[in-house]
This record gives sequence, C-alpha cells and structure tokens, in this order.
Amino acid sequence: ETGVTQTPRHLVMGMTNKKSLKCEQHLGHNAMYWYKQSAKKPLELMFVYSLEERVENNSVPSRFSPECPNSSHLFLHLHTLQPEDSALYLCASSQDSYSPLHFGNGTRLTVT
Amino acid sequence: AQSVTQLDSQVPVFEEAPVELRCNYSSSVSVYLFWYVQYPNQGLQLLLKYLSGSTLVESINGFEAEFNKSQTSFHLRKPSVHISDTAEYFCAVSDRVNAGKSTFGDGTTLTVKP
Repeated sequence: ETGVTQTPRHLVMGMTNKKSLKCEQHLGHNAMYWYKQSAKKPLELMFVYSLEERVENNSVPSRFSPECPNSSHLFLHLHTLQPEDSALYLCASSQDSYSPLHFGNGTRLTVT
Repeated sequence: AQSVTQLDSQVPVFEEAPVELRCNYSSSVSVYLFWYVQYPNQGLQLLLKYLSGSTLVESINGFEAEFNKSQTSFHLRKPSVHISDTAEYFCAVSDRVNAGKSTFGDGTTLTVKP
C-alpha cells in the first residue's frame, strides 16, 4: 500500500470516551502532521513531528495527545472531548519541512 | 507572519468554460506556494507547487498557476474545465522561517455545471 493511510475513517464517541486515531505513511517521509478541518473554518495545524520529535504544538487543548513512535506512524489520542471537537482530522507527511504535504483521507470524528 | 487570502469562496462555471481561482499571500520572506485539491470524502491532494525557478507552473490535468511576486499572487487557472474538476481548492504558503507550518487559505469551492 502506498501513500498515507488513516484509520478509522469514521468515529463516533461520547464525551467521556477515550479513543485513538492512527496514521501510517508508506512514503519514507521524515515529517508528519495532524490537521483539523472544520466546516466554515480554515485548515488548522495541530501538531508537527520531524524525525519523530515534536516540533510544533499549536496551542491545542490537552485532551488531544499526539504520539509518534517511529517515522512511519502517528497517533492522536483523544479523551474527554467536547462536541465542538467534531471535525475531519487529517494526517499528512512530507519529505522535509519545506516539501509539499501528502494527506490521508482523514477521520470524520463526531463527538456526542 | 504569513497569510493567504482566497478571494472567492464559491466559483460556479459551465463545463468547457475557463476558470480562475484567485489567491493572494502575505509573507516577509521568500515563499513556497502550493495549490491543493480536495474531492468529497477525501484528503487534500497536491495539484501544483512553486518552489523556485519558472514563475509559471503546470499540473498534469491542465491547471496552471503563475507566481507574481509584485502582486503577491498565485492564481490558479484552467482554460477549459470538466465536470470532474468539481472540488474544493486550497492555496497554501510556507517559507524557510516557518518551515513545517504551511498556512492555508479558506478554500474555494469550484462547481462545474453541465
């Protein structure tokens, strides 16, 4: 399989649940990203990892917790979310910090 | 700080008509510019990029964009659109100062009608 793969594609969770989003890239890239895409709002950068080290945490609430165990995998751990966290969460990778981004198809998250 | 403004939120056009999606950016340093396309229920895909060199860049499916430094613009054009071009288009800017932190515009929804 090639490209950037995100699982699950859809997730519905209650505000007290704990869940994780998974991202895997098969491109040999060195940087990975989490973005949030909400309706009527611009794409929001959440986290950046370069060579498995977090280099950006864009004022994201602590109920979102990223994990990058190696250069191919990225997780976003979710707990005690709010309804306004419902959105499409996109993972992306790039060869380095200046190169174009390769996106996965996203996880559509609904918080009830 | 860098910013991107996509001047049109919705662009409806008829099939085979030309189209231009406008993008202006703001940055204090040399920039890298990108156009991405997002089809329904999918992530964003790179359409074309300007990193350096020729100011006119082209994609494999007939889109082109021209980097205009004096007007700080990177408009996307296609001389004849197809129904399959219906999608949302995002302009993005990054630079070496803000490496890894591409700034995206709000997006332009292109709707091609038969």
